[in-house]
Amino acid sequence: DTAVSQTPKYLVTQMGNDKSIKCEQNLGHDTMYWYKQDSKKFLKIMFSYNNKELIINETVPNRFSPKSPDKAHLNLHINSLELGDSAVYFCASSQDRTGSPLHFGNGTRLTVT
Amino acid sequence: KNEVEQSPQNLTAQEGEFITINCSYSVGISALHWLQQHPGGGIVSLFMLSSGKKKHGRLIATINIQEKHSSLHITASHPRDSAVYICAVRSRGNEKLTFGTGTRLTIIP
Repeated sequence: DTAVSQTPKYLVTQMGNDKSIKCEQNLGHDTMYWYKQDSKKFLKIMFSYNNKELIINETVPNRFSPKSPDKAHLNLHINSLELGDSAVYFCASSQDRTGSPLHFGNGTRLTVT
Repeated sequence: KNEVEQSPQNLTAQEGEFITINCSYSVGISALHWLQQHPGGGIVSLFMLSSGKKKHGRLIATINIQEKHSSLHITASHPRDSAVYICAVRSRGNEKLTFGTGTRLTIIP
């Protein structure tokens, strides 16, 4: 049973396209996150939702829009993809927003050509 | 200067050696996380701690709040421990994690 699953694992697309990455957790956690890992392997928070409510929104271009239909799902939609969006995107969840351990998905490697 | 600094950046050791990876941070924190990223890319949470010491198998994590420093130790290291180890802190009053740049560990058989 995969605890945090994200799809697709690989995504190759052209500049200007719109794409989505889906994330689902079956752990019953309240809080979900999107992280971006750049080419130097540096992780940075993008968004966090707690019970479908946006609680963290870092300085991310508004081409990126998270959507949480319910607390088990947090999808990431990206409009007008740019070369610089190429990275690995990780979804994660935690029991609550105050600092419980994180559970990560396996990542989605996005390549924009 | 990053709020979270790790050392060393890269570490190569022989199988069986005792490994220490260090993490220093510059802000008051509510919790510190140690993560492991496998060569295949997956990330696993190893420890979350706010004081003292935690142990899980061959892994030990310690934190000194006054000195703003944490260490991750691996005893009897094994090639399967080869991975990138990442320290992350949650600042007091802030819900987001700030990550270190990671330590790439390679254990040679």
